[in-house]
Amino acid sequence: SQTIHQWPATLVQPVGSPLSLECTVEGTSNPNLYWYRQAAGRGLQLLFYSVGIGQISSEVPQNLSASRPQDRQFILSSKKLLLSDSGFYLCAWTIGRNQPQHFGDGTRLSIL
Amino acid sequence: EDQVTQSPEALRLQEGESSSLNCSYTVSGLRGLFWYRQDPGKGPEFLFTLYSAGEEKEKERLKATLTKKESFLHITAPKPEDSATYLCAVQAGGQNFVFGPGTRLSVLP
Repeated sequence: SQTIHQWPATLVQPVGSPLSLECTVEGTSNPNLYWYRQAAGRGLQLLFYSVGIGQISSEVPQNLSASRPQDRQFILSSKKLLLSDSGFYLCAWTIGRNQPQHFGDGTRLSIL
Repeated sequence: EDQVTQSPEALRLQEGESSSLNCSYTVSGLRGLFWYRQDPGKGPEFLFTLYSAGEEKEKERLKATLTKKESFLHITAPKPEDSATYLCAVQAGGQNFVFGPGTRLSVLP
């Protein structure tokens, strides 16, 4: 069966520091991968998605970037964090057309 | 622009009191509508996929239905463990999914 792992679960970082969040999927090949941010009490905002290695589409201009160095690995990065980057970050995967997404347990990011 | 709204924003039920959650959508060419359950501090958990108007899916106390403009998640005789935020999402063209803001359900014993 397929599983998705995100780490770390929680992270506290100072303003201006770099960021690297990692997501890996097991048990499937060539998944579509997604990064979302969820503000408190709000829906999911799509940040990036990837349909293959090295293929990244950005949905929202910001100081975040994403990379997909391996088929089942998706990384969210920033060179300098802003206070507004605080939130709950979720990674998801899907495979095939019209199939549901499956989510990791998220990373709670707090910027001080 | 594809849009998804959900109502009510929050719902409090007594244990055993059945009700429905609404998801209204505006998309060009619906490819799928998805319901998720999200517990605090966790990622959304997939519940149902609906593809065409008239389709229904059931799982335990939950039943999802779909029309051309909206979907309902019916909760029959809910229990406190059904308390969660329920999210609705649609997929139209491309690889993207559009999520609604969710309905926060509380079931009191």
